[in-house]
Amino acid sequence: AQSVSQHNHHVILSEAASLELGCNYSYGGTVNLFWYVQYPGQHLQLLLKYFSGDPLVKGIKGFEAEFIKSKFSFNLRKPSVQWSDTAEYFCANRGSGNTGKLIFGQGTTLQVKP
Amino acid sequence: GAGVSQTPSNKVTEKGKYVELRCDPISGHTALYWYRQSLGQGPEFLIYFQGTGAADDSGLPNDRFFAVRPEGSVSTLKIQRTERGDSAMYLCASSLLGQATSPQYFGPGTRLLVL
Repeated sequence: AQSVSQHNHHVILSEAASLELGCNYSYGGTVNLFWYVQYPGQHLQLLLKYFSGDPLVKGIKGFEAEFIKSKFSFNLRKPSVQWSDTAEYFCANRGSGNTGKLIFGQGTTLQVKP
Repeated sequence: GAGVSQTPSNKVTEKGKYVELRCDPISGHTALYWYRQSLGQGPEFLIYFQGTGAADDSGLPNDRFFAVRPEGSVSTLKIQRTERGDSAMYLCASSLLGQATSPQYFGPGTRLLVL
């Protein structure tokens, strides 16, 4: 079965530190990769997505992610985090079949200290 | 514009009871998804509707779970004979089209607690 793994469950950083959250996916045919974010008390929101083309994708709020096919990875990065980035982050891959169903990782809780 | 809404926001029920959870998608979105999220886990796919029909129900855990979308808009997730293990956050998402390239917009969820 397809799966998505996020290595870091809980990350604590100080403001201005650089961020990298790991995500690995199992191969399942066509790759459509996503990062979603859930700020405290809010809905899941799409940060960025990769379908094809340039493996370095830029999303909202200064986030970017790099697709590395040989490593089955899609790590999320931000050069300098802010306190407002405190949230839970989910990596997801498209599920099998010609639908939009998503397979999510277990999530990473990011806590940014002011 | 209005986003995806879900009602109720919280539901407490007793083991063995029947519950219905409602999802109002974004107007005009043809695709609707239900996911279940347990504490400390990512959302798990349950069922996908394209229009009125369930195009993929492979994620429903057993026959106690059923969902409908009779007019291609509002959807109801129905759980019969609830068990304590059904306690979770139930999320609904909608997208314009039922393709991976069509972004999914999530609702706030319904938190179900089965006592």
